Amino acid sequence: DAGVIQSPRHEVTEMGQEVTLRCKPISGHDYLFWYRQTMMRGLELLIYFNNNVPIDDSGMPEDRFSAKMPNASFSTLKIQPSEPRDSAVYFCASSSWGRITGELFFGEGSRLTVL
Amino acid sequence: QQQVKQSPQSLIVQKGGISIINCAYENTAFDYFPWYQQFPGKGPALLIAIRPDVSEKKEGRFTISFNKSAKQFSLHIMDSQPGDSATYFCAASSGNEKLTFGTGTRLTIIP
Repeated sequence: DAGVIQSPRHEVTEMGQEVTLRCKPISGHDYLFWYRQTMMRGLELLIYFNNNVPIDDSGMPEDRFSAKMPNASFSTLKIQPSEPRDSAVYFCASSSWGRITGELFFGEGSRLTVL
Repeated sequence: QQQVKQSPQSLIVQKGGISIINCAYENTAFDYFPWYQQFPGKGPALLIAIRPDVSEKKEGRFTISFNKSAKQFSLHIMDSQPGDSATYFCAASSGNEKLTFGTGTRLTIIP
């Protein structure tokens, strides 16, 4: 399996622009998570889906952030409008909780820089 | 209640030494305690995990020690090597709930 695939790997944009991050989870996994990583706050869970349905979006910082999962093989995280404080590495992870271990499989991340 | 407190924030260990990272939690319902390892430019990856029915789990040079009464668990890396230099995250969850991550420890192994 190719693992969790994220795109783009790097994104540099200007304040006020729309940013869309994409994720393809591992086939067969029924949970998908979006995390944000910064030096100050570590790994923060933004939102997670189960079977394409958003379960918990309490970590989404503001209305500027939105996430969708239109099907089992694709999810997007959108920031509109973007601000410099959104600069971070955004990770997508997937898992299958049917497994006792509950292991999360992370993608390599999308590094976002908002100027 | 949901926090997992991790220390130290950064750690420098000599090659061949023992690296020790500690975590503490409050939620007594937590029943799954994994450690994730993250190399620069990569996503975290599961390193080792423990459930509270055992006090220790060892995989190669990596050992988790678990103290249920103190609500603490730790990662020990024996014979630390430069290739172990990474950021380590402890985490915890209960039942089928989401993982709560610690804030991470940046480990550097020096020759």
